[in-house]
Amino acid sequence: DAKTTQPPSMDCAEGRAANLPCNHSTISGNEYVYWYRQIHSQGPQYIIHGLKNNETNEMASLIITEDRKSSTLILPHATLRDTAVYYCIVRPINTNAGKSTFGDGTTLTVKP
Amino acid sequence: DSGVTQTPKHLITATGQRVTLRCSPRSGDLSVYWYQQSLDQGLQFLIQYYNGEERAKGNILERFSAQQFPDLHSELNLSSLELGDSALYFCASSVKMNTEAFFGQGTRLTVV
Repeated sequence: DAKTTQPPSMDCAEGRAANLPCNHSTISGNEYVYWYRQIHSQGPQYIIHGLKNNETNEMASLIITEDRKSSTLILPHATLRDTAVYYCIVRPINTNAGKSTFGDGTTLTVKP
Repeated sequence: DSGVTQTPKHLITATGQRVTLRCSPRSGDLSVYWYQQSLDQGLQFLIQYYNGEERAKGNILERFSAQQFPDLHSELNLSSLELGDSALYFCASSVKMNTEAFFGQGTRLTVV
């Protein structure tokens, strides 16, 4: 799996958009970008994934740069419940989903 | 609620003992994964089963074993427990091996 780099921590004001960056400069053409989050001591929660087009679901939007070397997870209206560790994972589509390598992630703190 | 059920939620046991952690995957999911998360090591992949067969192994100790039963639930057996085995143990499941995985809420094991 390609290596990812994320800032260790970020703050966001409640109600504002949270933009979490991820660098994956060594990503290959067949590798997807996945985002998970883990709220304190709970199980990691799948958020979204994408290959090269921007993706949106009920939780978040994923913006992938044209060269695919970086991406941004956007939580449009952050709430206090979005405080969590956010993991950016890159892996090929035809590989084992559960063997994903979870790095240190970004600790997002949403403040009132 | 991810649909993945883990029992028990908490477990306290003594060194040298053996415990069994149980996981019921989401309905229809054939693949089950086990992870260990300790304070100093992050989320570590242990082992994966697909439709009853072992498919991948990660950093799983020889004292640990797992199986997946015909009804697709899985058990993780931890024996000769040591203080360092204290951790959160997560189970995850996915429909196929290459689709996104959904995590349970974990079992917190404390070895005293």
